Amino acid sequence: DAGVTQSPTHLIKTRGQQVTLRCSPKSGHDTVSWYQQALGQGPQFIFQYYEEEERQRGNFPDRFSGHQFPNYSSELNVNALLLGDSALYLCASSLLQGGSQPQHFGDGTRLSIL
Amino acid sequence: ELKVEQNPLFLSMQEGKNYTIYCNYSTTSDRLYWYRQDPGKSLESLFVLLSNGAVKQEGRLMASLDTKARLSTLHITAAVHDLSATYFCAVERRGSQGNLIFGKGTKLSVKP
Repeated sequence: DAGVTQSPTHLIKTRGQQVTLRCSPKSGHDTVSWYQQALGQGPQFIFQYYEEEERQRGNFPDRFSGHQFPNYSSELNVNALLLGDSALYLCASSLLQGGSQPQHFGDGTRLSIL
Repeated sequence: ELKVEQNPLFLSMQEGKNYTIYCNYSTTSDRLYWYRQDPGKSLESLFVLLSNGAVKQEGRLMASLDTKARLSTLHITAAVHDLSATYFCAVERRGSQGNLIFGKGTKLSVKP
């Protein structure tokens, strides 16, 4: 049973470019959340998708957008990249009606902005 | 605003010793999670704590929750090298399932 898978593993971009990160949730999960983890920090919640709609959003600018597909997979898009966007981007999946079950995290995409 | 503070942020221990990591949070929450992260790896769920007085144990780790004090502890008993990792506590915003606020993490190094 595959867990949460993310692609790509690593990515290097330059300022001003755009990037798309991808996530496949754990089998049986219907909700995907995205987090940004800067070096030496805890993850910060970006947003959450359920039923192909953004359900919750953290304190991130509109440059960060997302999408969820009918098969529950998700994309995170970041436009007009800034040096400060360099971080590990983590995808987490869960079952919305799963109560207190913890989110399962993928291995992340390491994004470096030059 | 919900804030989560962990201390210490860095912890160097000798094998066989005991220690406690503390997690304070600023507003009422229904759920508190502990995660472990190895270098270059993702987060692994350790414990979910739901109610006041909850205590959970797995191997050499024991977590507890005091909702009145807004405090959770992660106690390490007779540390071994394999426990070296960064430990995060995370609190779920009330009414916002899946929106976790993480502490900065405690980097634990267990030395022989």
